[in-house]
Amino acid sequence: DQQVKQNSPSLSVQEGRISILNCDYTNSMFDYFLWYKKYPAEGPTFLISISSIKDKNEDGRFTVFLNKSAKHLSLHIVPSQPGDSAVYFCAASDSGNTPLVFGKGTRLSVIA
Amino acid sequence: GAVVSQHPSRVICKSGTSVKIECRSLDFQATTMFWYRQFPKQSLMLMATSNEGSKATYEQGVEKDKFLINHASLTLSTLTVTSAHPEDSSFYICSVPGQGRRDTQYFGPGTRLTVL
Repeated sequence: DQQVKQNSPSLSVQEGRISILNCDYTNSMFDYFLWYKKYPAEGPTFLISISSIKDKNEDGRFTVFLNKSAKHLSLHIVPSQPGDSAVYFCAASDSGNTPLVFGKGTRLSVIA
Repeated sequence: GAVVSQHPSRVICKSGTSVKIECRSLDFQATTMFWYRQFPKQSLMLMATSNEGSKATYEQGVEKDKFLINHASLTLSTLTVTSAHPEDSSFYICSVPGQGRRDTQYFGPGTRLTVL
């Protein structure tokens, strides 16, 4: 049973446009959500996170939105740049002391 | 963010041999480290939680006798794949929890294991 789902395996966006990556979760106990970026043959790099007490967190070009009632979060990247091309993983945690649960990732391609 | 190193970055071995992968937390001491495995086009799957000074906690389906974990110090955890087989070929990644909120984990660069 997949608790964190990223239903889009891939996404292509033109440079300068907005990239929207989606993530759904099923465990209502999750209270902290993170996005990681991963290049091939490298470990994931932490990008941005959001606590369940918030519905939005912004950091530069990256904004994460959380809709608790829908158990849905999204990562917005604007403007998208070619260097953003990578696999993006959504992850969730339910207590802060347990390991993260990851989605399968979405491969973002930003086309110049 | 924290710096986590892994060694080696790539290893190719023959079937039946054992391979040791090291994970080091370079910025701060870590009583807990996590080991993940990623197959191509798949998610990061947690294998085990490495605990300094005590036994590792393995996830369901992960053979503890095959994947030996030793958390020797507050900055070093090792994963030994014993009697490796081709199906063990994968990308192994360790992570260290952040010092504030523990679920902000910092990942190592990963180790690509290929078993011939």
